[in-house]
Amino acid sequence: KAGVTQTPRYLIKTRGQQVTLSCSPISGHRSVSWYQQTPGQGLQFLFEYFSETQRNKGNFPGRFSGRQFSNSRSEMNVSTLELGDSALYLCASSWGTLLNTEAFFGQGTRLTVV
Amino acid sequence: GESVGLHLPTLSVQEGDNSIINCAYSNSASDYFIWYKQESGKGPQFIIDIRSNMDKRQGQRVTVLLNKTVKHLSLQIAATQPGDSAVYFCAELPPYDYKLSFGAGTTVTVRA
Repeated sequence: KAGVTQTPRYLIKTRGQQVTLSCSPISGHRSVSWYQQTPGQGLQFLFEYFSETQRNKGNFPGRFSGRQFSNSRSEMNVSTLELGDSALYLCASSWGTLLNTEAFFGQGTRLTVV
Repeated sequence: GESVGLHLPTLSVQEGDNSIINCAYSNSASDYFIWYKQESGKGPQFIIDIRSNMDKRQGQRVTVLLNKTVKHLSLQIAATQPGDSAVYFCAELPPYDYKLSFGAGTTVTVRA
């Protein structure tokens, strides 16, 4: 059974550009969450989707957005990139409707903004 | 707030000894807790979870203890092995919140 797949694995962008990251959840999982991981702030919640609906959003500026498709795949977008957006972006999927089942993480996308 | 904190940022353990990693959570409404292990260059890997109606749960070489009175969570690893070297995070989930709140993490180093 394939795990959570995130693409691309690595990305280098210039300040001011925008970026789109992709996450394919485990087959059958309908909840997808996104987290930003940095050495200084740790793992910070970005947003969570279930059946194409955003159910919760973290404290990030509006430059961070996401969506989920009917096949449960999800994308997140960051516009007008800043140096501080450099981070590991992690996606997690779970089966349960309330996320209180095992949440499995992908390998992450390492974004570097220069 | 909803932060979850670990008591120690680093832990050095002799191979073969037992490890205990501690975590304090602040949201008394949280009813689901998870421990994750993250190795360098990888995403967090699920280790074990526990619901608030339990005090203890055992897995393979790992045990999670939950003390709701003092809002404390711990992960015990038996017979620590070199492959256990990683960063360990605890996470909490309040009901109907749809997001995990993570602690800062404890880096475990296993000495040969």
